[in-house]
Amino acid sequence: EVQLVESGGGLVKPGGSLRLSCVDSGVTFSRHSMTWVRQAPGRGLEWVSSISSSSGYINYADSVKGRFTISRDNAKNSLYLQMSSLRVEDTAVYYCARESVRYCSAGSCSSFDYWGQGILVTVSS
Amino acid sequence: DIQLTQSPSFLSASVGDRVTITCRASQVISNYVAWYQQKPGKAPDLLIYGASTLQSGVPSRFSGSGSGTEFTLTISSLQPEDFTTYYCQQLHVYPFTFGPGTKVDV
Repeated sequence: EVQLVESGGGLVKPGGSLRLSCVDSGVTFSRHSMTWVRQAPGRGLEWVSSISSSSGYINYADSVKGRFTISRDNAKNSLYLQMSSLRVEDTAVYYCARESVRYCSAGSCSSFDYWGQGILVTVSS
Repeated sequence: DIQLTQSPSFLSASVGDRVTITCRASQVISNYVAWYQQKPGKAPDLLIYGASTLQSGVPSRFSGSGSGTEFTLTISSLQPEDFTTYYCQQLHVYPFTFGPGTKVDV
């Protein structure tokens, strides 16, 4: 059974850094791309970054490019998000999510089928 | 970037109602759309992927349709646990943008 658990959140001052971790208790972590999605208080969902199964493909939202770094360690079933130069507007609940690719009418379709419980990051002076 | 709009933003309904939420994309995205349900304080749950394929374990009262730039999520008979917020997402190209959400309320 897949269970994603985030850790590493907390309160940090503007300009500071924080590293989020996400551990998968299942056995298929290394086969899937993984993603970070965030949600500011009272707001909608925002895709942040994705990394392919072997770390060969990485993408970032423009809002975090150059400040955040996604990585993974398949031997530890772990996903990371290193956040630097944090801004007040980075305050959000951060979710890790697993990307699954399955057959659909268009051929093969992606979706985020498992999510962690979320971890709060607060950037404030 | 591909922009997604959802309509309505807020939907007032009753138990047993049939409701439809529309998601429109700023460019053609084939069938690469997923729908999520999110309850307050919880992570989103996947309902539909590939625009119309029901995720395993999701009740059959949920259905999705559409292709190209217009997509719909339909709940055939609203149940008390369905009064919450719904998001569409495009997974055609990065960034994998989400719609702004539709809140279904009593």
